[in-house]
Amino acid sequence: DAEITQSPRHKITETGRQVTLACHQTWNHNNMFWYRQDLGHGLRLIHYSYGVQDTNKGEVSDGYSVSRSNTEDLPLTLESAASSQTSVYFCASSPGPTDYNEQFFGPGTRLTVL
Amino acid sequence: SQQGEEDPQALSIQEGENATMNCSYKTSINNLQWYRQNSGRGLVHLILIRSNEREKHSGRLRVTLDTSKKSSSLLITASRAADTASYFCATSWMDSSYKLIFGSGTRLLVRP
Repeated sequence: DAEITQSPRHKITETGRQVTLACHQTWNHNNMFWYRQDLGHGLRLIHYSYGVQDTNKGEVSDGYSVSRSNTEDLPLTLESAASSQTSVYFCASSPGPTDYNEQFFGPGTRLTVL
Repeated sequence: SQQGEEDPQALSIQEGENATMNCSYKTSINNLQWYRQNSGRGLVHLILIRSNEREKHSGRLRVTLDTSKKSSSLLITASRAADTASYFCATSWMDSSYKLIFGSGTRLLVRP
């Protein structure tokens, strides 16, 4: 069955380290998204991509980067982790082009920056 | 700032009762969607209503949309303990139909 996976599921790192969170989907969806979820803020969009080689900044992109070299993967990199980036990160994908833009979510990665 | 805001932030009801959650948004939308999130899990899409629709049903779910008031409501009828979760509305803007902006969610507790 098609799915979207994230790895690792849990990560503890230290301030200043580079961290990469993986996201892989097997639906062949064009659109992929990264969100962070913090108490009281719901989901906030970090970066998104509408296809290979396309990346765009979201609402809270500072300190994060993404690259899209194939349809299936959109890794999220924290260049120099900060304690403020402790959060739960969700990857999502949706098919396109269409006006029915339901998103399918991965299980999440809980990141702790010490 | 976030497009959608849910009300109430938390809701506790008895099994069998109906649960109503509301969502307000700020700008013109292409569609509005509702998602459910069980504790420690990713979000799951429940229902989508387009800007030219006023009401939509799916099983025990009923969604209404009032574009003049920029608001939507999600009604869960005959609630079950398994409906305990957080519920989020998400809006798709007219000029950016693939992106979604999520509200902060309503935490629903259904007591057995």
